Amino acid sequence: SYELTQPPSVSVSPGQTASITCSGDKLGDKYACWYRQKPGQSPVLVIYQDSKRPSGIPERFSGSNSGNTATLTISGTQAMDEAAYYCQAWDSSTVVFGGGTKLTVL
Amino acid sequence: QVQLQESGPGLVKPSETLSLTCTVSGGSISSFYWSWIRQPAGKGLEWIGRIYTSGSTNYNPSLKSRVTMSVDTSKNQFSLKLSSVTAADTAVYYCAGSFTSSTNFDYWGQGTLVTVSS
Repeated sequence: SYELTQPPSVSVSPGQTASITCSGDKLGDKYACWYRQKPGQSPVLVIYQDSKRPSGIPERFSGSNSGNTATLTISGTQAMDEAAYYCQAWDSSTVVFGGGTKLTVL
Repeated sequence: QVQLQESGPGLVKPSETLSLTCTVSGGSISSFYWSWIRQPAGKGLEWIGRIYTSGSTNYNPSLKSRVTMSVDTSKNQFSLKLSSVTAADTAVYYCAGSFTSSTNFDYWGQGTLVTVSS
């Protein structure tokens, strides 16, 4: 079965750029999307179709997807961005989620 | 603004069937994909399956033998049944809708905790 791999944790200082990766076989041939989940809350879509931002998501969130890796980039990271982030893709008519990355803003 | 709300029993006995309903408000359920996703405490997200308003379905292969989804467009609702549950099925269950693309989930319910215990 298809797997997406994320680092368990990423740390970033306020105002700096955070990058969270998601790896999977030929992931660049599929659409990747990203969700942010804060404790006790439902996930929120922050990037879809590799690099598109839903309305209401700040411009500091951006995404890319090429080769075997999709990347979520948060520029000028703020304390409010501290959360778990999940990547997601489709393979063989099945949704696959990455294991999630805990972003800590130190 | 589309809103989703899960409803159903919070406690299910082992070997019985878990049944949940998601009510969609603020928009029509028609012509979109609707999914169920679950999350055990402290763990990641697991997709259970999806249904289109025509009734066509896709299920997670690991759960397929135990999952049934249905949709009632007249009530703007869709439902999940998961049979022969065990403690491993204890999780927060979310319903979600796909609007901008069939490949992502734009709207999520608040989630409902289902505990499997005797």
